[in-house]
Amino acid sequence: AQKVTQAQTEISVVEKEDVTLDCVYETRDTTYYLFWYKQPPSGELVFLIRRNSFDEQNEISGRYSWNFQKSTSSFNFTITASQVVDSAVYFCALFTDKLIFGTGTRLQVFP
Amino acid sequence: SAVISQKPSRDICQRGTSLTIQCQVDSQVTMMFWYRQQPGQSLTLIATANQGSEATYESGFVIDKFPISRPNLTFSTLTVSNMSPEDSSIYLCSVDGTGYNEQFFGPGTRLTVL
Repeated sequence: AQKVTQAQTEISVVEKEDVTLDCVYETRDTTYYLFWYKQPPSGELVFLIRRNSFDEQNEISGRYSWNFQKSTSSFNFTITASQVVDSAVYFCALFTDKLIFGTGTRLQVFP
Repeated sequence: SAVISQKPSRDICQRGTSLTIQCQVDSQVTMMFWYRQQPGQSLTLIATANQGSEATYESGFVIDKFPISRPNLTFSTLTVSNMSPEDSSIYLCSVDGTGYNEQFFGPGTRLTVL
């Protein structure tokens, strides 16, 4: 069975703090894709990153970075020097034959 | 990336009525998907819609309640039938991007059923 677990329901930080959002996935498939999406209060889903199961290289994009570790089935997302505009719900998702979402982590960044 | 629009963006409906949500994409796509996001919850896939064939529904969702049309490669509709307050959710349309494994989402339709 496919499953995505985001154990952190809500995280609150003060601006400029670094924050890591955890994502653990389960699948028996050897080929799969992992995603992170951002959902700001407006409700729209914003695509952040896709990573396939054969590419364990970590990725950095500005203040965002992702750590993919197949050994622990984790795909964690770190925001460096957080800003108020980062406040949103973040979803991790797993694709095998369909896209399965985690329950999301609500991040609140206070000024 | 594909540009996806949905109509209406939001609606308030009475119990027992039906609402049809439209999803328009600016390019031809093979697969279109419909998701539901109940208040404070994650996204759940309702069905996958391929052009020219019947939609494939996920467990817990049936065609009588959520009929879907896919008349061409850029358009789909989802109808929420015989609505009840439990149907109050955001309904999102999504399309496959590069190689089917990269999905982009529309802005969503926020539905409230009274």
